Amino acid sequence: LAKTTQPISMDSYEGQEVNITCSHNNIATNDYITWYQQFPSQGPRFIIQGYKTKVTNEVASLFIPADRKSSTLSLPRVSLSDTAVYYCLVGADTGTASKLTFGTGTRLQVTL
Amino acid sequence: GAVVSQHPSWVICKSGTSVKIECRSLDFQATTMFWYRQFPKQSLMLMATSNEGSKATYEQGVEKDKFLINHASLTLSTLTVTSAHPEDSSFYICSARPAGTYYNEQFFGPGTRLTVL
Repeated sequence: LAKTTQPISMDSYEGQEVNITCSHNNIATNDYITWYQQFPSQGPRFIIQGYKTKVTNEVASLFIPADRKSSTLSLPRVSLSDTAVYYCLVGADTGTASKLTFGTGTRLQVTL
Repeated sequence: GAVVSQHPSWVICKSGTSVKIECRSLDFQATTMFWYRQFPKQSLMLMATSNEGSKATYEQGVEKDKFLINHASLTLSTLTVTSAHPEDSSFYICSARPAGTYYNEQFFGPGTRLTVL
């Protein structure tokens, strides 16, 4: 499984755009990039997943450059409720044996 | 859709007792469920992978005789912490992977806070 590196923490003001970058230099050809969000004392919640270029959904965008050695999760106009830990995961779908390995995550603190 | 529940949400027990935690996929079938443990301010650590109708696959360092996993149906997996000790106090989270999905998208339960006195 490809190892990921993220900043330990980030701070932002409410209303700003937040970009969290994740490095995954040894990503394999069939690996996907997935981001999860976790609030204190709750299970993680799936945010977005992509393979290459750009993916956008109702809550975030995911930018993946051509070499796929990094990815950036973009949260537009964050609010206080976006304060959470964000995990970047990289892995391939190997059928029923597919499993997720969580790294340290990025603790995002949003303030007024 | 894709809701996973856990029961209980929290439990306090005496040292030496066993505790069972249930994980249910409420609106989908899950051939595979996963159990994680998370200590305060740390990341999730995968404990085991549970496949319906077969034995669980444990991660290195996880005692299979201490953490008993049963995946009896496509919607239910249970984790039993046997002879619990204070060091087993943690946040236990399960996740389920819907049958037929192709990507690494798992749906997580709300977690169970275990405190062993």
